[in-house]
Amino acid sequence: ETGVTQSPTHLIKTRGQQVTLRCSSQSGHNTVSWYQQALGQGPQFIFQYYREEENGRGNFPPRFSGLQFPNYSSELNVNALELDDSALYLCASSLDRKEGETQYFGPGTRLLVL
Amino acid sequence: EDKVVQSPLSLVVHEGDTVTLNCSYEVTNFRSLLWYKQEKKAPTFLFMLTSSGIEKKSGRLSSILDKKELFSILNITATQTGDSAVYLCAVGYRGSQGNLIFGKGTKLSVKP
Repeated sequence: ETGVTQSPTHLIKTRGQQVTLRCSSQSGHNTVSWYQQALGQGPQFIFQYYREEENGRGNFPPRFSGLQFPNYSSELNVNALELDDSALYLCASSLDRKEGETQYFGPGTRLLVL
Repeated sequence: EDKVVQSPLSLVVHEGDTVTLNCSYEVTNFRSLLWYKQEKKAPTFLFMLTSSGIEKKSGRLSSILDKKELFSILNITATQTGDSAVYLCAVGYRGSQGNLIFGKGTKLSVKP
């Protein structure tokens, strides 16, 4: 196990609702990245947080937002949920924001939007 | 457009077989290539490769990177049923701001 934890493990929402997913990074890691993994696909980068600031963002709309707290844990918020948001959401922590740094993944939150 | 392509997409073998999984990439300003094993949810880290031609090994798994031909292979010898998983290849690049670009993965099934 990597020491990265996520909650909840599963979640069911309906279209238009809002959701908050949580992630605790591995001890000593100050960088958290979020990924969306649709069924049968590889993970896609949503954004990364480094020391409470957004450090980079993938091709996701503004209704995907995040936070990082002083203890380096993080939240992913998704507003106005759409059916296509159904996916496994993975959080990964790394020692630093250095490019190409190894990222260690949590177990994910499986979100189903009905 | 940057991309990572894995092949085959799925593979069925029997215990004891040796398998080779492929990952090719077209990424500007390449920095590193990473292999992960995903059994149910969390991808678990296997290897990170940055230098061409240097093999990394861990038990029955090994991997090598060819930066000239832009590909990597992951070898698994004497496969076991516990090796059944999706194997993901990801590339990190300069200027990425944290982004790893993943391939779609290779689903390996090892039959007893």
